[in-house]
This record gives sequence, structure tokens and C-alpha cells, in this order.
Amino acid sequence: EAGVVQSPRYKIIEKKQPVAFWCNPISGHNTLYWYLQNLGQGPELLIRYENEEAVDDSQLPKDRFSAERLKGVDSTLKIQPAELGDSAVYLCASGTGGADIQYFGAGTRLSVL
Amino acid sequence: QKEVEQNSGPLSVPEGAIASLNCTYSDRGSQSFFWYRQYSGKSPELIMFIYSNGDKEDGRFTAQLNKASQYVSLLIRDSQPSDSATYLCAVNMRGGSNYKLTFGKGTLLTVNP
Repeated sequence: EAGVVQSPRYKIIEKKQPVAFWCNPISGHNTLYWYLQNLGQGPELLIRYENEEAVDDSQLPKDRFSAERLKGVDSTLKIQPAELGDSAVYLCASGTGGADIQYFGAGTRLSVL
Repeated sequence: QKEVEQNSGPLSVPEGAIASLNCTYSDRGSQSFFWYRQYSGKSPELIMFIYSNGDKEDGRFTAQLNKASQYVSLLIRDSQPSDSATYLCAVNMRGGSNYKLTFGKGTLLTVNP
């Protein structure tokens, strides 16, 4: 069974440019999460989807971040415009909800110059 | 502020010894607890979860939960150099009407041959 797939693995952009990350969850997982992980820190939740619905986006900086999960499968996280402080690893995870056992993708390492 | 606290380490143990990793959490209503292993430059990998007070064993790993003391630990028996990684404690905590997986900063474990 394939795990959570994310792309790209690495992205280097200049500040003020837009960037997008893509995630394909484990088949059958209706819950999808986007996390941000800074160096030396644990992952921090940005947004949680149940199927197509964003049920918790309280930690998403909505002035520059947006996300969508069309058709309740793949998801895209976008930053526009990117700032230097956005440099981090962006992790996608999926699960079946409930007790919230979550499985992580490999992540996208973003560097904003 | 809902928190999960871990000693950042590094925790250094000799090969074959028992490594003991500890975690405390602030939300007394938390019901599910997870340990993730994260190798440098990689994404978190689920290794254990526990819901009930007491011990749960899986191979060389034992998770221990004490809800009254708001304490969860991970024991690694017969530690191997391949166990060298950062171990993240994660607790499902209430945030308004939602539950959110809150991570500690992780403990860096080094197993010396």
C-alpha cells in the first residue's frame, strides 16, 4: 500500500514569490492534515480536512496561506507571497479520523531566499 | 496554552542498554497518545500509540501511560545504533470543538556502539 505522497520534496524560491505544495493521502483516508515543522520543533498543525471540508484551520495564517482539497482526495497548500520566515518543512499526514492515528508523508522542505 | 513537554536531550545510551524517554502533557482530558520517531532529514514515523493507563509492549518498545500524573513514556530495550533519532511525543488535545494532535519538541536519542 502506498503511503502519503508529497511533492515537490524541495523548493527554493525568492521572497514574495508564490509556492504550492501537493499531497496525495493514503487510499481510503478521509482525514488529511497539513503541518509546518521548524528546525528543532515538533510539527504544528496548519489545517485539518474531513473529506472536502476544512474542519480546523484556526492555525492557518489566512492572509498568505490557502489550502484546498477538491473531491476529498488530493490537497494543495499555497503560500502567496512567501516570506523569509516561511522557510520550514511542510508535512502532509492522513488518517481515518477518530483516534487520529496519523501517517506522514516525506514532506516538502521550503527555503525562501 | 495546551502543551506537551519533553526533555530535548541529547540522551546518550550505550548499545544494548534501555533508553527511557519521557513526556508530560497539560490537558487532563487527553485520551490518545503517540510516539513518533524522526530520523534527521526525514518525516515522523509512528512507532507506538496508547490509550489506556498502564504498559503497552511492541517488540523492543514499551509505552507507559499514567493519566493521573499526565505522564507518558517510551522505553526502548536492547537499544541499537539504528534507534538513534529524535523521538516525538504527541498527544490528542481538545481545542474548542476539535481535537488536535499536539507534539513536543522531541528528544534526541544517540545510541553509542
